[in-house]
Amino acid sequence: GENVGLHLPTLSVQEGDNSIINCAYSNSASDYFIWYKQESGKGPQFIIDIRSNMDKRQGQRVTVLLNKTVKHLSLQIAATQPGDSAVYFCAENFDNNAGNMLTFGGGTRLMVKP
Amino acid sequence: EPEVTQTPSHQVTQMGQEVILRCVPISNHLYFYWYRQILGQKVEFLVSFYNNEISEKSEIFDDQFSVERPDGSNFTLKIRSTKLEDSAMYFCASKKRDISSPLHFGNGTRLTVT
Repeated sequence: GENVGLHLPTLSVQEGDNSIINCAYSNSASDYFIWYKQESGKGPQFIIDIRSNMDKRQGQRVTVLLNKTVKHLSLQIAATQPGDSAVYFCAENFDNNAGNMLTFGGGTRLMVKP
Repeated sequence: EPEVTQTPSHQVTQMGQEVILRCVPISNHLYFYWYRQILGQKVEFLVSFYNNEISEKSEIFDDQFSVERPDGSNFTLKIRSTKLEDSAMYFCASKKRDISSPLHFGNGTRLTVT
């Protein structure tokens, strides 16, 4: 797949455990952040987003936490399932118009052991 | 659920040839994008397109690249004279005009330049 050869940090978890994937973003002016999931052979799939005026947002089995002080973003996945195995990217937007030019991080590979 | 669709899934071309990558964005979306992912590297922004014109472009998007929305449904990326280093996955994305709406990506076209 397209991420072969990319020296990704890897998180290996047992099925049913919670996963926490971390991301450090670069621009303190960024005001919108997104987590994407990318499975082999597919494009990035939207998981959850958060604006900079929030520090936490919850979705179905996922929670995103934003710490603007240290420019840190995390994705928590509850009760991780084998289908969650993928590469996870955070992306930031520091363009204040609706153009949404995203800057992607390097990704973390999540491996779920059955 | 509506999807961004891209064709072809894999394109092989010889160096110096022109290629056109095709995308059908989600029908009620107004912003359109091309991103690329070279094997082993991050997802990189190429260009955004709104209201029939380019709204932003990156350094990668030089004179060899062009985009077009030839009709109400298709969005294309043309590379005039391909180079070996253009080999990558090319992802099309689209979004609604709302600043808080996320980008939705297609599954990509793998371009191999020989």
